[in-house]
Amino acid sequence: DSGVTQTPKHLITATGQRVTLRCSPRSGDLSVYWYQQSLDQGLQFLIQYYNGEERAKGNILERFSAQQFPDLHSELNLSSLELGDSALYFCASSVGLKGYNEQFFGPGTRLTVL
Amino acid sequence: AQTVTQSQPEMSVQEAETVTLSCTYDTSESNYYLFWYKQPPSRQMILVIRQEAYKQQNATENRFSVNFQKAAKSFSLKISDSQLGDTAMYFCAFISGNTGKLIFGQGTTLQVKP
Repeated sequence: DSGVTQTPKHLITATGQRVTLRCSPRSGDLSVYWYQQSLDQGLQFLIQYYNGEERAKGNILERFSAQQFPDLHSELNLSSLELGDSALYFCASSVGLKGYNEQFFGPGTRLTVL
Repeated sequence: AQTVTQSQPEMSVQEAETVTLSCTYDTSESNYYLFWYKQPPSRQMILVIRQEAYKQQNATENRFSVNFQKAAKSFSLKISDSQLGDTAMYFCAFISGNTGKLIFGQGTTLQVKP
């Protein structure tokens, strides 16, 4: 158990819908990261927040947005869902925001878009 | 841009034997870290081993060791005395020391056979 929690574990929805994925980092961690794992794109970085502020952006679609709240939990919002958005979404957390800080991964949220 | 390449999509090894997974990367940075992550069928991402680029000594963690060739930009993972529980997908990953963005290779599926 990494100490990072993600809800829900599974999500099934239809095209065009909007969903919210939630992540609670390990106690004491200020950085939260979101990654997407899909069959065609592999594992790719989406976005990083540190203490409530966006710090780095990867290949995140405009239909996707994220935020980190004062209690440090984070939410990833996916809207106008398409079939290709079906993937496993991971949240990770670390103490700091630099590369030398180990990232601890949550169990992931499996999103299926029908 | 940094890239990570794993050229072996699938590998298999007999239980108790040794196997080596290959990884190459490309970067112009001098401050970076390399990782091997294990993803078993549960889909949890588990850190196996980590290497700091500034360290010449190869990292080891019990049965897992790396061969870090900085000039060749190669970072292979050796698993000794393979166990059935080592069956998983293995990802090589790169991170710059100045950012929090993990860049993953495509993954190698390892099957340990009894």
